[in-house]
Amino acid sequence: SSELTQDPAVSVALGQTVRITCQGDSLRNYFPTWYQQKPGQAPVLVIYGENNRPSGIPDRFSGSSSGNTASLTITGAQAEDEADYYCNSRDSSGYHLVFGTGTKVTVL
Amino acid sequence: EVQLVESGGGLVQPGGSLRLSCAASGFTFSDYWMHWVRQIPGKGLVWVSRINRDATLTTYADSVKGRFTISRDNAKNTLYLQMNSLRAEDTAVYYCARGTYYDFFYWGQGTLVTVSS
Repeated sequence: SSELTQDPAVSVALGQTVRITCQGDSLRNYFPTWYQQKPGQAPVLVIYGENNRPSGIPDRFSGSSSGNTASLTITGAQAEDEADYYCNSRDSSGYHLVFGTGTKVTVL
Repeated sequence: EVQLVESGGGLVQPGGSLRLSCAASGFTFSDYWMHWVRQIPGKGLVWVSRINRDATLTTYADSVKGRFTISRDNAKNTLYLQMNSLRAEDTAVYYCARGTYYDFFYWGQGTLVTVSS
């Protein structure tokens, strides 16, 4: 079972803001990385480190972290943001890697 | 442009073996940690294994330790995953990914492994 817990699904109106959360004890020590996965496609990294975006990722994606909870926020969600989102970090040992359970984002 | 292309997937019987390959291009392969991640269709992502730049350090998820072996050939820009004693629960799409010690910056498109009699 995953050591990182995410809400299974969230919905957001077009142009509004949605926050996706990731909870786990290891997040007290490590920033998570966030991935977007659209149906039939490989995941794409959207946020890494404290709040860093790779080139090509829109600035409406941002990350934050407090205690054992990290968040990915999409400010002004677009239709193309509809996807599954996963966080990942190290497990409680710090040695192995784990993914969150995933959140399906629906843009209404 | 970074490209990762997996191959070697297919149908294999329980207890059988399979070797996956991941051909890398568009970057200096020997500069990066590489990983394998798998995903049962319709389910979540699961990290499988990682290998460091010069293949001196490998790590495995508990679910595959002792059965899977990750390796790399930096001269051929290729990552491998040797999978032995395959089980039905190993059925998944297997992705290779370029990353750091703990995350995954670029992903291949995946190769499907089906373990069934």
